[in-house]
Amino acid sequence: DAKTTQPPSMDCAEGRAANLPCNHSTISGNEYVYWYRQIHSQGPQYIIHGLKNNETNEMASLIITEDRKSSTLILPHATLRDTAVYYCIVSYSGTYKYIFGTGTRLKVLA
Amino acid sequence: GAVVSQHPSRVICKSGTSVKIECRSLDFQATTMFWYRQFPKKSLMLMATSNEGSKATYEQGVEKDKFLINHASLTLSTLTVTSAHPEDSSFYICSAAGSADTQYFGPGTRLTVL
Repeated sequence: DAKTTQPPSMDCAEGRAANLPCNHSTISGNEYVYWYRQIHSQGPQYIIHGLKNNETNEMASLIITEDRKSSTLILPHATLRDTAVYYCIVSYSGTYKYIFGTGTRLKVLA
Repeated sequence: GAVVSQHPSRVICKSGTSVKIECRSLDFQATTMFWYRQFPKKSLMLMATSNEGSKATYEQGVEKDKFLINHASLTLSTLTVTSAHPEDSSFYICSAAGSADTQYFGPGTRLTVL
């Protein structure tokens, strides 16, 4: 079973920040938090991952709480092309299996 | 970034035939590759993990004799659906891990069995 819980859906206005939460209360000390997104009928696209510290790249920011039991993916200026299903996954590494949860369907509104 | 390809992107076959799907890491060597399937409006379900040069590890409930996986090189893994039936119709997605960092996914293969 997936170790993550996400809201099934969210809406966000275009140009605004999209904040996608994820609960992973049973995460182990050496498990990473990964975020991917899947646009309809395509393979998942890697967004960002982190262990303890907050991370930022050209796509998004990842905020992990101090107790590591939850995290938030932030898309700073959402566009219509960000409409997708976003998956939060916890795993020991990229060479270890991922168990996908149900994800959050983000709809960016014009 | 790392690129993973799949071939074919779409395949239609008759019931009882076998179908082979290829997964290639184009710009990196993948010691580990994974195969997933996804039904409409559902999440990805891991089928198996394959390591180069060794037998694949299948998830519970996945028939290894029906879904044959070969990982013959560091850039290629294949999934063969043997004696396909309509219930095998699905979206099959592979991923590859070059380092311990993260997995990169292919674009998927849509299989339709008539």
